[in-house]
Amino acid sequence: SYELTQPPSVSVSPGQTATITCSGDALAKKHAYWYQQKPGQAPVVVIYKDNERPSGIPERFSGSSSGTIVTLTISGVQAEDEADYYCQSVDTIGTWVFGGGTKLTVL
Amino acid sequence: QALLQESGPGLVKPSETLSLTCGVSDFSITSPYYWAWIRQPPGKGLEWIGSIYHTGSTFYNPSLRSRISMSMDTSTHQFSLNLYSVTAADTAVYYCARHEGTGDPQYWYFDLWGRGTLVAVSS
Repeated sequence: SYELTQPPSVSVSPGQTATITCSGDALAKKHAYWYQQKPGQAPVVVIYKDNERPSGIPERFSGSSSGTIVTLTISGVQAEDEADYYCQSVDTIGTWVFGGGTKLTVL
Repeated sequence: QALLQESGPGLVKPSETLSLTCGVSDFSITSPYYWAWIRQPPGKGLEWIGSIYHTGSTFYNPSLRSRISMSMDTSTHQFSLNLYSVTAADTAVYYCARHEGTGDPQYWYFDLWGRGTLVAVSS
């Protein structure tokens, strides 16, 4: 079965840059999406199609892709960015897969 | 702004059927979108369960396909999930969500979510 692999946790100080990776074989050919989930809330998409940012998402959120790895970058991290982040992609037609999630801690 | 609202029992006994409904407000359920169920066990990650289109077309997670069915009632603007023969491992927050339904599936992502409902499986 298709899997997306993320680091369990990332820690950064306020104002620094947070980098969260997601790896999976299909990412070389399929787009990736990133969701932010705060405690007790539903996920919200922060990056779509590898590097597009939905309206209302701060410019400090960006995405990139290289081969089988996609990366979510948060520049100038703020305390409010502390959350769980999930990558998501699609395997065969009609099978959506999420990464295991990365807990971002703002020190 | 479209709204999704999950409803259903918060407690289900082992071996029984978990049944949930999602109400769609302020958006046409017959628009070119799929309507999906996603779950999240306590303290764990997200798992896509399945998606349904207003024509009745469905996609199911292969790992759950043998135990699930989804349906839609366009007249009441609702879609539903049945998960059969549940065990404690099915305890989770269940979210309903929306994703596009036209073009290349790799561009389909979940752009609207309900608030989620916790379902516990316990005797």
